[in-house]
Amino acid sequence: DAGVIQSPRHEVTEMGQEVTLRCKPISGHDYLFWYRQTMMRGLELLIYFNNNVPIDDSGMPEDRFSAKMPNASFSTLKIQPSEPRDSAVYFCASRPGGQGDQPQHFGDGTRLSIL
Amino acid sequence: RKEVEQDPGPFNVPEGATVAFNCTYSNSASQSFFWYRQDCRKEPKLLMSVYSSGNEDGRFTAQLNRASQYISLLIRDSKLSDSATYLCVVNPTWDDKIIFGKGTRLHILP
Repeated sequence: DAGVIQSPRHEVTEMGQEVTLRCKPISGHDYLFWYRQTMMRGLELLIYFNNNVPIDDSGMPEDRFSAKMPNASFSTLKIQPSEPRDSAVYFCASRPGGQGDQPQHFGDGTRLSIL
Repeated sequence: RKEVEQDPGPFNVPEGATVAFNCTYSNSASQSFFWYRQDCRKEPKLLMSVYSSGNEDGRFTAQLNRASQYISLLIRDSKLSDSATYLCVVNPTWDDKIIFGKGTRLHILP
């Protein structure tokens, strides 16, 4: 079975540049989550979607971050302009519908370095 | 009090030993609980869900103590391959979001 697919695996770019991270959830999963992980703060939820609709974006750090889910099989997280403090591993996860007792399945992550 | 708290470790344990660690949560109404495992530079992966009556999966046993608001993970006959970070995960309500602890690092020593 295909899991959650993220691209790119690694991204190194200079500050000020636009960064776009991509995610393909598991087919049939209704929920999609974007997380950021750093040593200091651990795993933080940025935003999540239910049936392609953004439900809670309270974890998005600031207006430089935006996320879209144009269809059930694709989502993007964009940072514009990027800053060195955005360097982290960004994970996408998905889970089936239903209540919160369904576990989430994670992609391999995108390791982002902003110089 | 943080929503989900874990001892960061590291726990250094000889191969074959039994190791256990706990995770406390602040919201008494929390409904569902999980343990995830994360290897270095990899994504978190579900290890097991935690059920009210406790549950076992091979060498792994998970327990829930609602009165004291903690969950535990016990690993018996530890293997070198058990070395990883173990993340405690709590769903504070019947909600879409879950809260991750910062993880407990486990090193199994040969």
